[in-house]
Amino acid sequence: DVVLTQSPATLSVTPGERISLSCRASESVDTYLHWYQQKPNESPRLLIKYASQSISGIPSRFSGSGSGTDFTLSINGVELEDLSIYYCQQGNSLPYTFGAGTKLELK
Amino acid sequence: EVKLLESGGGLVQPGGSMRLSCAASGFTFTDFYMNWIRQPAGKAPEWLGFIRNKANGYTTEYNPSVKGRFTISRDNTQNMLYLQMNTLRAEDTATYYCARRPYFDYWGQGVMVTVSS
Repeated sequence: DVVLTQSPATLSVTPGERISLSCRASESVDTYLHWYQQKPNESPRLLIKYASQSISGIPSRFSGSGSGTDFTLSINGVELEDLSIYYCQQGNSLPYTFGAGTKLELK
Repeated sequence: EVKLLESGGGLVQPGGSMRLSCAASGFTFTDFYMNWIRQPAGKAPEWLGFIRNKANGYTTEYNPSVKGRFTISRDNTQNMLYLQMNTLRAEDTATYYCARRPYFDYWGQGVMVTVSS
């Protein structure tokens, strides 16, 4: 199985700052890497598909980059509503797998 | 508007069986792969499997962690997705979601399954 390692596990943020979250795959997943946001007691929500493709309805401050084994989710100007857990997920090989998540908290 | 609505969860004893349902609306159901994903409390989601769309013959793939115990099916006349779970274990306790596409663009609200005596 492809193991996705997300870092950091927790990130303390100040509203307005630009942040980057990392997701590293144990083998190449090409660009079959997707990002989700999950708020408490809610279902995950797709933020970015295929590493860098934007999703309709998602604020433009969210962007993704990377290919192969190293991926980044960036938030340009964090807002309080962004305090959530972020998961990456690979869809290159079965079984599909998720990372353990990065939790954004308020500094 | 795309909607996915799971049902059928609850408490089941170890070794028991349960069938979850997912009612889909707002899109052409037969055009899409459909997935089941679960998430234990406080942990990351785990993909369980999918059933392909009409163009790909409605075939299935499973996570080895549940293969042989869980079965995914669909009723395309009713726009329903199902997850049959057999020989349930305590570690199957989780919130179960249905989701659309190989990347999960829409998720249901989830249904809780608790395996306990």
